[in-house]
Amino acid sequence: QSVLTQPPSVSGAPGQRVTISCTGSSSNIGAGYDVHWYQQLPGTAPKLLIYGNSNRPSGVPDRFSGSKSGTSASLAITGLQAEDEADYYCQSYDSSLTGLWVFGGGTKLTVL
Amino acid sequence: QVTLRESGPALVKPTQTLTLTCTFSGFSLSTSGMSVSWIRQPPGKALEWLALIDWDDDRYYSSSLKTRLTLSTDISKNQVVLTMTNMDPVDTATYYCARIQGHYGPASYWGQGTLVTVSS
Repeated sequence: QSVLTQPPSVSGAPGQRVTISCTGSSSNIGAGYDVHWYQQLPGTAPKLLIYGNSNRPSGVPDRFSGSKSGTSASLAITGLQAEDEADYYCQSYDSSLTGLWVFGGGTKLTVL
Repeated sequence: QVTLRESGPALVKPTQTLTLTCTFSGFSLSTSGMSVSWIRQPPGKALEWLALIDWDDDRYYSSSLKTRLTLSTDISKNQVVLTMTNMDPVDTATYYCARIQGHYGPASYWGQGTLVTVSS
């Protein structure tokens, strides 16, 4: 059971927009800690996609965007492309006894 | 250019101790604000944070695994070593090391991961 809750799967047709939610609590996202998002293509290491809630590293297309409000965060992908099919994970810091970092359970994005 | 690479045994027996080494380049762990974390991922499952060591040599561990984990460093070799005792088949996973900015920053750089299977 992950500390951050994500939907197990989302899907969309090419060109469409999808969102992935990440729900936490008052000890992590709700405490004001940043949320980061990672994309994991099959058989590869995770890659940083969004940092600090809404910032894109160099090279990440502006089709990807992030937001945060209260105890939740969201990743939005517009103009879906086949290459976006991957697993997506949110991550934050937690001030409780669970440890320093927490991850979401991951969301499998299927491009129909 | 920042790179990280994990190394260690691909197969360990139950109850044995696992030792993994993260060898990195392009940054120094003695630089203020630099940290290295270990993260694992069982086959088909989610990422799980294990431990972090920072520029002050402070170490932080997952509360569920802290009795089994130990971090050490060799600054001169740019290496961080993770030791996990009493391995069990449920510990079968790909183990990643990653560079972190501070404690709160994202994992900007990841190693390619190393798959460790626990089986007799």
